[in-house]
Amino acid sequence: SAVISQKPSRDICQRGTSLTIQCQVDSQVTMMFWYRQQPGQSLTLIATANQGSEATYESGFVIDKFPISRPNLTFSTLTVSNMSPEDSSIYLCSVEPTSGGVRSPAQYFGPGTRLTVL
Amino acid sequence: GQQLNQSPQSMFIQEGEDVSMNCTSSSIFNTWLWYKQDPGEGPVLLIALYKAGELTSNGRLTAQFGITRKDSFLNISASIPSDVGIYFCAGRNSNYQLIWGAGTKLIIKP
Repeated sequence: SAVISQKPSRDICQRGTSLTIQCQVDSQVTMMFWYRQQPGQSLTLIATANQGSEATYESGFVIDKFPISRPNLTFSTLTVSNMSPEDSSIYLCSVEPTSGGVRSPAQYFGPGTRLTVL
Repeated sequence: GQQLNQSPQSMFIQEGEDVSMNCTSSSIFNTWLWYKQDPGEGPVLLIALYKAGELTSNGRLTAQFGITRKDSFLNISASIPSDVGIYFCAGRNSNYQLIWGAGTKLIIKP
């Protein structure tokens, strides 16, 4: 497993502004993921952020709206740009550690960032 | 795309009762994962299942990987107040994608 922290834990933002969410892992991991969880809903994958390559976005999510950085093996950021009330959600980062070169079948999650857009 | 049908959507139970929830799909999965999410927290892995027919326990929790590889269930025995939360199943397919169920909200009656 891995210990994952996220900043901020929550924020209230004005429409039209942007927020950058940070994800820090206590060990080096190649595979990192960003999810959105709308109120009362399941998890929806936004993008996969692997160190050394451009993030891969899922259908319905675009880089201009959700730019991602992955500068090293322990850190990533997700920016929610030009926010609207529909962006109010919990944003979660997760990792898939590898052991002996084998990718973990399980993902491990940070505590989430609760975003409210007014 | 692939979907997981998780049921029930919510459960109201008395403390001490046993709980059962399941996930089904028309597709085959290679791994089944069960998570619990408490309010204000991220999902926490409870049990991972890797082989068809596998039955695994974690304390009062027991989960099984269906023999057809298309379903899985999670049982909680003798529920206690801290079992309250949302339980998610997730299945990993042959493309290594992780597909999520909609969640089962467990509520304990006072």
